Amino acid sequence: SQTIHQWPATLVQPVGSPLSLECTVEGTSNPNLYWYRQAAGRGLQLLFYSVGIGQISSEVPQNLSASRPQDRQFILSSKKLLLSDSGFYLCAWSVPPEHNNEQFFGPGTRLTVL
Amino acid sequence: SQELEQSPQSLIVQEGKNLTINCTSSKTLYGLYWYKQKYGEGLIFLMMLQKGGEEKSHEKITAKLDEKKQQSSLHITASQPSHAGIYLCGAGGGVDTGRRALTFGSGTRLQVQP
Repeated sequence: SQTIHQWPATLVQPVGSPLSLECTVEGTSNPNLYWYRQAAGRGLQLLFYSVGIGQISSEVPQNLSASRPQDRQFILSSKKLLLSDSGFYLCAWSVPPEHNNEQFFGPGTRLTVL
Repeated sequence: SQELEQSPQSLIVQEGKNLTINCTSSKTLYGLYWYKQKYGEGLIFLMMLQKGGEEKSHEKITAKLDEKKQQSSLHITASQPSHAGIYLCGAGGGVDTGRRALTFGSGTRLQVQP
């Protein structure tokens, strides 16, 4: 069966510090991978998605970046965190074809930037 | 871009009462997904609807997609405390748009009082 892992579960970082959140998927090959952010009291916002190794699409301009060094690994990074980066970060995966785009979500990482 | 509006934003009901959550799209829905999220956790997939007029049920939760495929409703019968959480609707952009990720509504926060 497929599983998705995210770590860390919670993180408190000072403004200006770097960030690295990791997401790994097990039990499937060549998944589409997604990073979403959920700010307090708001819905999910798509940040990045990837259809393959090294292929990253960005949905919104920001100081975050994403990388996919391996088929089932998706990393969210920042060189310098801002207060506005606080939120709940969710990684998700889906299997093509896109017309049946059910997505499976990880447990999330709660990031607090102070 | 497609936008999803959910109503109500929050809902408090007495245990045993029925309730309905609505999700309205600014564009035709090619796939409508309902997820449930408990605070600080990942999303749990509930149902997916694709065809106009489609209706699906799981336990005490029923979701419908209207004929014009621009609105969906989620109905909970005889609510229980275990139904409490945030309900999110998500929409795929359709194969022709090339958009693989989901657009989400801002969520409906449900509280069920014993």
